[in-house]
Amino acid sequence: DAGVTQSPTHLIKTRGQQVTLRCSPKSGHDTVSWYQQALGQGPQFIFQYYEEEERQRGNFPDRFSGHQFPNYSSELNVNALLLGDSALYLCASSFQGLAGELFFGEGSRLTVL
Amino acid sequence: AQSVTQLDSQVPVFEEAPVELRCNYSSSVSVYLFWYVQYPNQGLQLLLKYLSGSTLVKSINGFEAEFNKSQTSFHLRKPSVHISDTAEYFCAVSDVSGGYQKVTFGIGTKLQVIP
Repeated sequence: DAGVTQSPTHLIKTRGQQVTLRCSPKSGHDTVSWYQQALGQGPQFIFQYYEEEERQRGNFPDRFSGHQFPNYSSELNVNALLLGDSALYLCASSFQGLAGELFFGEGSRLTVL
Repeated sequence: AQSVTQLDSQVPVFEEAPVELRCNYSSSVSVYLFWYVQYPNQGLQLLLKYLSGSTLVKSINGFEAEFNKSQTSFHLRKPSVHISDTAEYFCAVSDVSGGYQKVTFGIGTKLQVIP
């Protein structure tokens, strides 16, 4: 049973560029949440997708957008990259019925130069 | 809005000694509480959770946490730590009232077990 998989694992971009990160949830899960974890910080909630719609959003600008596909996989897009966007981006999947129990991938490490 | 405060950024402790990692939360509604662990170069894993019922919850590897509503705390304890417990531990809170739950994390506590 595959867990949560994320790609790519590492990437380097320059300021102003755009990036797309991908996530496949754990088998049986229908909800995907994205988190940003800056160095030395806890994960910060970006948004959550369920039934292909954004259901909740954290305090992130519109440069951060996402999508969920019919197979429950998800993408996180960040436009007009800033140096401050450098972080580990974590995808977590869950089943709507299980209160807050998240399964995390190993993350995508984004470096913005 | 909900928030989590982890008072200690780093906790060094000798092997086989007891440890307590502190967590306080703030929320205007009932909550679920969690501890997640992150080993180096890995994603977060659920360690234990409090949803309802007994206020003392335990993990399979000897950790336990107690929900204290009056003190809004959910401290994590282990009576005797091992080298393999070296990791970063995150306390988290989930708002019960929303139809779609958002989990909010603290900044983490790095547990360093010294041989």
